[in-house]
Amino acid sequence: GQQVMQIPQYQHVQEGEDFTTYCNSSTTLSNIQWYKQRPGGHPVFLIQLVKSGEVKKQKRLTFQFGEAKKNSSLHITATQTTDVGTYFCAGPGKNYGQNFVFGPGTRLSVLP
Amino acid sequence: DGGITQSPKYLFRKEGQNVTLSCEQNLNHDAMYWYRQDPGQGLRLIYYSQIVNDFQKGDIAEGYSVSREKKESFPLTVTSAQKNPTAFYLCASSPSWGPPDNEQFFGPGTRLTVL
Repeated sequence: GQQVMQIPQYQHVQEGEDFTTYCNSSTTLSNIQWYKQRPGGHPVFLIQLVKSGEVKKQKRLTFQFGEAKKNSSLHITATQTTDVGTYFCAGPGKNYGQNFVFGPGTRLSVLP
Repeated sequence: DGGITQSPKYLFRKEGQNVTLSCEQNLNHDAMYWYRQDPGQGLRLIYYSQIVNDFQKGDIAEGYSVSREKKESFPLTVTSAQKNPTAFYLCASSPSWGPPDNEQFFGPGTRLTVL
């Protein structure tokens, strides 16, 4: 079935450093979504990318969709302690009717 | 105050008992979903419903059952056939099934522990 992979699995950074997580798919994606889950919380939708090569920004967060629509990245500039959490990408399922398949996530720790 | 609610937040059950987790949304969303999350893991889809009175199995439906008799409600029953039911269960809804209006809104989750 459809596989969505993310690297790294864990990332520890010092506050103020940048952070990037990468999402890779075994097949071409029509669109991709990103979610953030704080420790002990529930996932919260961040953004959806649809177009090849698309770049979207939300304050210190930059999201990019690859030209081949098989990969995506999330970059955080100058991390803050409020960025702590797990970041998931989600891509359309391969099987008919299956909405989204979530990647395993990248857990970010920010040391003050 | 619109949103998606799950109850209870914590649930303890004895092995062999069926248990039903509640999920209610007042966002007027058509699609609803149930996910299971194990410690340090991603989300795995249990069941989903594109519209009221319809639902489909996800990747790990064995040992679970659902119903969608009302648009706003999508309860999940964890049966005794589920071999390893202890997990964090998340319910979600989205305005529609397909893009662009399929961003998912998650409830706070229910932590089920089977003793």
